Amino acid sequence: GAVVSQHPSWVICKSGTSVKIECRSLDFQATTMFWYRQFPKQSLMLMATSNEGSKATYEQGVEKDKFLINHASLTLSTLTVTSAHPEDSSFYICSAQDYRGQYNEQFFGPGTRLTVL
Amino acid sequence: SQQGEEDPQALSIQEGENATMNCSYKTSINNLQWYRQNSGRGLVHLILIRSNEREKHSGRLRVTLDTSKKSSSLLITASRAADTASYFCATDGGGSNYKLTFGKGTLLTVNP
Repeated sequence: GAVVSQHPSWVICKSGTSVKIECRSLDFQATTMFWYRQFPKQSLMLMATSNEGSKATYEQGVEKDKFLINHASLTLSTLTVTSAHPEDSSFYICSAQDYRGQYNEQFFGPGTRLTVL
Repeated sequence: SQQGEEDPQALSIQEGENATMNCSYKTSINNLQWYRQNSGRGLVHLILIRSNEREKHSGRLRVTLDTSKKSSSLLITASRAADTASYFCATDGGGSNYKLTFGKGTLLTVNP
């Protein structure tokens, strides 16, 4: 099956710093990737849709200047949390869409746990 | 916004018993999918059911879909301790819109 990796798997940073999270599709090309956020004991909330070669589409209420998304290639999308604050602490999960199958299945990365001190 | 609602929010059963989780949604869908998430981990895709299907099986999993009631159920038969996880339903609107909307999830605990 298709594999999606995320790096780092966890990160601890000081308030005010920026953190970059990478999402890679390892064995397929993904023109579309998605970024989700999950708070403890809650569901996944879609933050933005990342399209290769174009600007990301952000969901309502998500600050695009706070969460910078760059989909530079067909296998890599990055999420940068700028000037992170403790309230940005969360579990961030990406998914990559594979168009090869019968339906456009999303394959999820293992997630990145961000803790902002 | 989250449109799915899983029921129950938490379920605790003994190994060997069956577990049934329900999901309701509000808008028209193209596909409904069920995912499993172990604590602190990513999502594992379990099964997809299309809007024109009513029931689907995969191993110990059975999924039903009732589009008239905008609801789905996931049945896990002969549960095992390793089935302990959170289970989420997710819907997509079809066409060019493959954005997934996740339900709130059911935390299943299978006691050995």
